[in-house]
Amino acid sequence: KNEVEQSPQNLTAQEGEFITINCSYSVGISALHWLQQHPGGGIVSLFMLSSGKKKHGRLIATINIQEKHSSLHITASHPRDSAVYICAVRGGATNKLIFGTGTLLAVQP
Amino acid sequence: DAGITQSPRYKITETGRQVTLMCHQTWSHSYMFWYRQDLGHGLRLIYYSAAADITDKGEVPDGYVVSRSKTENFPLTLESATRSQTSVYFCASSGVSNQPQHFGDGTRLSIL
Repeated sequence: KNEVEQSPQNLTAQEGEFITINCSYSVGISALHWLQQHPGGGIVSLFMLSSGKKKHGRLIATINIQEKHSSLHITASHPRDSAVYICAVRGGATNKLIFGTGTLLAVQP
Repeated sequence: DAGITQSPRYKITETGRQVTLMCHQTWSHSYMFWYRQDLGHGLRLIYYSAAADITDKGEVPDGYVVSRSKTENFPLTLESATRSQTSVYFCASSGVSNQPQHFGDGTRLSIL
C-alpha cells in the first residue's frame, strides 16, 4: 500500500463546478504539499500546510492531522484548471517528500 | 533570469551509453533533488544534496551518480543507460528544509 493515496485518480468536471481532490497518508508528517502539473509542463507548488486551511484565489486546501487526510478544493472550475494535482507529504527532518500518484483533472467548457 | 533550469529538455540515447542531465539554480538554495516520474508511480527521489559536496541516496539510486561541486549545479549521470531508465526526470531545489521545493521543467529521456 502506498504511503500517500489520492482519490480520485481521474476526474472530469464541467466548467463552474466545485471540485474536491482527496489525499490520505499513513506516515507521520511535518507538512503536506499540493502541487500542480500541466500537460508537458513543469511542476508548481500550490500549497504547503501543516494544519488547518489555506486559500489562494479559487483554490482551498485543508488538512486534518488526526485523520491523516487533506483535501484540495477548486471553486468555480475553469478549463485552465485542467492539470494533474499531486499530493506530497514531508516526514521527519530530512526534507524528503513522498508523493501520491496524482489526480488528472479535466474541466470541460 | 532567476530560477531552476534543466538541460536538455529531451534526450534520446542507446542502452549502455553514458548520459548526464544538468540542473542549475540561481537562488543559492542549499537543497537540491533529482526525481523520476513514471506512469503509475508518484515522483520518486533518486538522489538529494543538502549542500555542496554533500549528497545522499534517495528511494531509487541504483544506476545513477550525482555530484555537487558547486551550490548552483547538481548534475545527474546515468553511467550505462538501461531501458528501465526511460523516464521524465525532474530537478528541484529548496532553501531550507521547511520550504516548498521549486521544480525545473523536466527532462524527457528515452533509452532505446
